[in-house]
Amino acid sequence: AQSVTQLGSHVSVSEGALVLLRCNYSSSVPPYLFWYVQYPNQGLQLLLKYTSAATLVKGINGFEAEFKKSETSFHLTKPSAHMSDAAEYFCAVSRHQNTGNQFYFGTGTSLTVIP
Amino acid sequence: GAGVSQSPRYKVAKRGQDVALRCDPISGHVSLFWYQQALGQGPEFLTYFQNEAQLDKSGLPSDRFFAERPEGSVSTLKIQRTQQEDSAVYLCASSLDGSPNTEAFFGQGTRLTVV
Repeated sequence: AQSVTQLGSHVSVSEGALVLLRCNYSSSVPPYLFWYVQYPNQGLQLLLKYTSAATLVKGINGFEAEFKKSETSFHLTKPSAHMSDAAEYFCAVSRHQNTGNQFYFGTGTSLTVIP
Repeated sequence: GAGVSQSPRYKVAKRGQDVALRCDPISGHVSLFWYQQALGQGPEFLTYFQNEAQLDKSGLPSDRFFAERPEGSVSTLKIQRTQQEDSAVYLCASSLDGSPNTEAFFGQGTRLTVV
């Protein structure tokens, strides 16, 4: 079955420091992978997606993620954290099934940015 | 509309009461998803529509949960005889088509509190 695992439910970084949020997927076929961000009392907003066109994917707000098949990983990074990056981040995988498309989400990582 | 709209944003229900949650997807989007997000957790899949057809309802936790999308646009999630464990944020998402590489756009969610 398709699933994603996010290591670290809480990550704290200093403002200006590197952000690294980890995501590993399990899949027997090349997956479609997504990172979403959720601000308090808001819905999920797409940061970026991997669809096999390029292994390094650039998203909004300076975030990027690298697909590494050998490590079954899709970690999210940002070179320099900003206070406004404090939010909940979700990794997700999608797969088309006979019954249609479905997204599977990780349990999320809460990012705190320390001034 | 410009995005996915959900109403109400907040709902307090007495245990045993029936509730109906509404989702207006992005116009023209074929796929529609409902997710349940418990506090501190990632979204959990409930059900999926392609146009008016409910192709997957495997995530609905009990027969008290019912979803419909009769004309292939607006969808309603109904919960009968609400229980305290139904308290969660219910997220609706839509995507342009049923392709697995197409991102889902999320509404802000309905926060249901059962007292």
